[in-house]
Amino acid sequence: QSVLTQPPSVSAAPGQKVTISCSGSSSNIGKNSVSWYQHLPGTAPKLLIYDNNKRPSGIPDRFSGSKSGTSATLGITGLQTGDEADYYCGAWDTSLSAGVFGGGTKLTVL
Amino acid sequence: EVQLLESGGGLVQPGGSQRLSCAASGFTFSSYAMTWVRQAPGKGLEWVSSITESGDKTYYADSVKGRFTISRDNSRNTLYLQMNSLRAEDTAVYFCAKGGVGRVQGLIYWGQGTLVTVSS
Repeated sequence: QSVLTQPPSVSAAPGQKVTISCSGSSSNIGKNSVSWYQHLPGTAPKLLIYDNNKRPSGIPDRFSGSKSGTSATLGITGLQTGDEADYYCGAWDTSLSAGVFGGGTKLTVL
Repeated sequence: EVQLLESGGGLVQPGGSQRLSCAASGFTFSSYAMTWVRQAPGKGLEWVSSITESGDKTYYADSVKGRFTISRDNSRNTLYLQMNSLRAEDTAVYFCAKGGVGRVQGLIYWGQGTLVTVSS
């Protein structure tokens, strides 16, 4: 059972938009920055979003992040087959003094 | 170019020990917190441990506290994870990452990972 809650899977057609939710609590998302990661099996995970809504250089603006209260959302527009991957949210939990991840969401581009 | 190269994985018996290393290059290693994250077969990412830039503070997941020790050698640009009293449930790919999930910048860059298998 992950501290942060994500839907196990989402799907959408190429060119469409999808959102992935990440629900936490006042000790993690409610208090600290959220980051998002893309992971294709067998490869190194990649940082997509940091500090709730900022994109590292090289990440296209099709990827966006937002945060409200104890929840965060990753948005992906103009879906491409290459976006098929597992997506994870992460944050620090102040009460646990530990990092926490969501359980991951598998994106399928139909 | 940032590079993180993990090594030290392999097959180890339950109750045994293993030390993982992560050789860093392409950035000022001593200026960044560092983190270990693992992924068990068929499971999601699990934060394991983080260490501050100077190594003065360390943090651990409850699942490894008291058994694993994170450390770093800034003169060698290398991060370590000493794993003792290993259990079958520690079987996973272990990734080292630049930064901290608790830092504003997040886990900026990840290595390819090294597989640790705990089995008799």
